[in-house]
Amino acid sequence: EAGVAQSPRYKIIEKRQSVAFWCNPISGHATLYWYQQILGQGPKLLIQFQNNGVVDDSQLPKDRFSAERLKGVDSTLKIQPAKLEDSAVYLCASSPQGLETQYFGPGTRLLVL
Amino acid sequence: DAKTTQPPSMDCAEGRAANLPCNHSTISGNEYVYWYRQIHSQGPQYIIHGLKNNETNEMASLIITEDRKSSTLILPHATLRDTAVYYCIVRAVNRDDKIIFGKGTRLHILP
Repeated sequence: EAGVAQSPRYKIIEKRQSVAFWCNPISGHATLYWYQQILGQGPKLLIQFQNNGVVDDSQLPKDRFSAERLKGVDSTLKIQPAKLEDSAVYLCASSPQGLETQYFGPGTRLLVL
Repeated sequence: DAKTTQPPSMDCAEGRAANLPCNHSTISGNEYVYWYRQIHSQGPQYIIHGLKNNETNEMASLIITEDRKSSTLILPHATLRDTAVYYCIVRAVNRDDKIIFGKGTRLHILP
């Protein structure tokens, strides 16, 4: 079974630029999560989708971050414009129904200069 | 904030059992204890979870105290590949309850 796929693996941008990350969850998993992990800390949930609907986006900085999961399968997370403090690893995870184990992708490492 | 407290780091000799403690004194009756680990440059990986009873799988054992206020993750024969950050998480049986990661325990396996 293929795992959660994410791309790109690494991205370097300058502040005020835009960036987008892509995630393809495990086939059949209804729930998809985006996390932000700053160096030395545990992952922090940004947004949770159930199929193509948003369940929780309370910690998503909506003035600059947006996410979509239009067809209930893959998802994109966008930052526009980026700030220095957005430098982090962005992790995508999926689970069958939201109750079960979450399976994480390898993450996208973002550096904002 | 995370509902758990873990030591920031631990060492364990290769081949010995690694015992990672976790305090969750405010755990509710409907909350499970989950353990994940994160190897360097990878996403977190599920290890095990439990409610009241001790649990064992191919990766580890989970021992939960009778009052459920603390637990211990046991890696029976630690190898160098077990070097990672281990996260103890408390989560309700509710599809909307989010996983809140703390800083975890950085486990170093010593050759």
